[in-house]
Amino acid sequence: QVQLQESGPGVVKASGTLSLTCAVSGDSISSTMWWSWVRQPPGKGLEWIGEIYHSGSTNYNPSLRSRVTISIDKSKNQFSLKVSSVTAADTAVYYCARGFAISAIDPWGQGTLVTVSS
Amino acid sequence: QSALTQPASVSGSPGQAITVSCTGTSNDVGNYNLVSWYRQHPGKAPKLMIYEVNKRPSGVSNRFSGSKSGNTASLTISGLQAEDEADYYCCSFARGTSPYVFGTGTMVTVL
Repeated sequence: QVQLQESGPGVVKASGTLSLTCAVSGDSISSTMWWSWVRQPPGKGLEWIGEIYHSGSTNYNPSLRSRVTISIDKSKNQFSLKVSSVTAADTAVYYCARGFAISAIDPWGQGTLVTVSS
Repeated sequence: QSALTQPASVSGSPGQAITVSCTGTSNDVGNYNLVSWYRQHPGKAPKLMIYEVNKRPSGVSNRFSGSKSGNTASLTISGLQAEDEADYYCCSFARGTSPYVFGTGTMVTVL
């Protein structure tokens, strides 16, 4: 059974960089899957952030591309997210998930709330 | 890149069938059979319920079905149960921008 677990600081100062890691178990991060990040501001809908393949290829949401970096660590079977120059609008629950060749996202991690403080 | 349009809320009585719509454009829903649906209970992570318009993952009840006509995809829940009360999101591949665009979300209420 594939499981994903997010980890990282729950509070980030405005103008700083948000950094999260997703540990994958039950599947190799070098498999033929894409590994995604999705976020959800409190009380709002889902927003896809970006994804990475084990080769290092990435796709990003155009609205976030200038501030987002997704990387992969095959030795630790995990991938990471960095969002720079954060503002209050970046306050959200951040989910990591596995993507199936643009047809679906499954499964998802439990999510982690990141609050941007002033 | 705009979010796909869903009704804010849909409700039904136990045992009834309800349908949640998801309207996009020819750049996403209309030209690709790559629509998926997710159920999200309060405080929980989303769960995949339907993928590629009408396919159910293993373990998902056959009370859930999907379809598409033109630029609009639909999720139908038959035999509505209390556990179906949740938020539902559609998602589609979108040409030219990012691979995934989500819908605005629909709150399903079981009366």
